[in-house]
Amino acid sequence: EVQLVESGGGLVPPGGSLTLSCAASGFTLSNYWLYWVRQSPGKGLEWVAYFKGDGSSTKFADSVKGRFTFSRGNARNILYLQMNNLRAEDTAMYYCARDGPAIMVDFDFWGRGTLVTVSS
Amino acid sequence: DIVMTQAPLSLPVTPGEPASISCRSSQSLLHSSGYNFLDWYLQKPGQSPQLLIYLGSSRASGVPDRFSGSGSGTDFTLKISRVEAEDVGVYYCMQALQAPITFGQGTRLEIK
Repeated sequence: EVQLVESGGGLVPPGGSLTLSCAASGFTLSNYWLYWVRQSPGKGLEWVAYFKGDGSSTKFADSVKGRFTFSRGNARNILYLQMNNLRAEDTAMYYCARDGPAIMVDFDFWGRGTLVTVSS
Repeated sequence: DIVMTQAPLSLPVTPGEPASISCRSSQSLLHSSGYNFLDWYLQKPGQSPQLLIYLGSSRASGVPDRFSGSGSGTDFTLKISRVEAEDVGVYYCMQALQAPITFGQGTRLEIK
């Protein structure tokens, strides 16, 4: 069974850092693209970043470029999103989503999300 | 960026009745492959979004056949033939033709 489990969210002051994790199971992460999508409280969905499973390609939204980076854990089925210099507008639920096998980007599996709150 | 505009933003529906949601994009979503790069998602209360429709009209695995997607270019529609109580939530369209991926504002479907 395909599963994505996010963790690492919490309360952090402006300018602080946080590392989110996305643990994948039921499929080989290196064969897929993983995306992070966030949702501010009461608001819609916003694409944040993507990571090609083999690590050969990554991209970040302009709103987080230069502040967020990716890394892979020793366990190759875990993807980390390092978030630095956090701002109040980064407050959101962060979802990890898998890009399915279709020709276009479609998020066929989503995690349950992890909440990030940036506040003093 | 491609702007996605949904209508209506709120949709009260009587169970058993049909429902329709419109999604318009600021640029054509028709890919050179002949497919439209548009998805539909449903976010049920307290849950993460789930894929309903991809490539404009293909139902995702496990999605009931009362859901259908249509349209091409810049105008798309999600239709529910007979609304059930479990269909409550916020529906989003999403374009994936051009980076950055962008979503519509969402349409909240509620049961009358």
